[in-house]
Amino acid sequence: NAGVTQTPKFRILKIGQSMTLQCTQDMNHNYMYWYRQDPGMGLKLIYYSVGAGITDKGEVPNGYNVSRSTTEDFPLRLELAAPSQTSVYFCASSSSGQISGANVLTFGAGSRLTVL
Amino acid sequence: TQLLEQSPQFLSIQEGENLTVYCNSSSVFSSLQWYRQEPGEGPVLLVTVVTGGEVKKLKRLTFQFGDARKDSSLHITAAQTGDTGLYLCAGGKAAGNKLTFGGGTRVLVKP
Repeated sequence: NAGVTQTPKFRILKIGQSMTLQCTQDMNHNYMYWYRQDPGMGLKLIYYSVGAGITDKGEVPNGYNVSRSTTEDFPLRLELAAPSQTSVYFCASSSSGQISGANVLTFGAGSRLTVL
Repeated sequence: TQLLEQSPQFLSIQEGENLTVYCNSSSVFSSLQWYRQEPGEGPVLLVTVVTGGEVKKLKRLTFQFGDARKDSSLHITAAQTGDTGLYLCAGGKAAGNKLTFGGGTRVLVKP
């Protein structure tokens, strides 16, 4: 059981370039999330999705876009990369209501992005 | 401004010592979770607490949810080098599916 798989693990971009971070999960979870984690910091929510065809903004959505055409996949798109987007990106998924209604997340291993 | 404040930000102790990490907020949460993250990996859930005043034990780890459901603590007894990592608390609201994460506490247990 692979869980949540993210690709690539590492990427270096030049300012203004575009790229897509891929995320796929095989647990049939409805909810999926993208977080960014800056050095020594916690996680900030970029975008999330409660099901195929539905996406919504999190705390820090500027500069990013997402789509959710299938239950399994939730790619994150950076259109015009900026140095401020240098971070580690984590994709997560959940099936809400696992523990007394609490939302429990399963995370991928992360994608480290550097924008120079 | 972090909705969930964790303290301390960094903790370095010797193996065998005890430690406590705190997670505080001015907001009420319906659930509070603790995750541990090791370098190069994603966070992994340790525990979920949902009732005010709840205490959960996981071997040498004791988790407590405040009576008012605004704060939580994680206590590790007789720390081991394998406890080294970044500890993150995350709060959930009854409405919505998003978790709010604290800034994390980096714990280093030296042999």
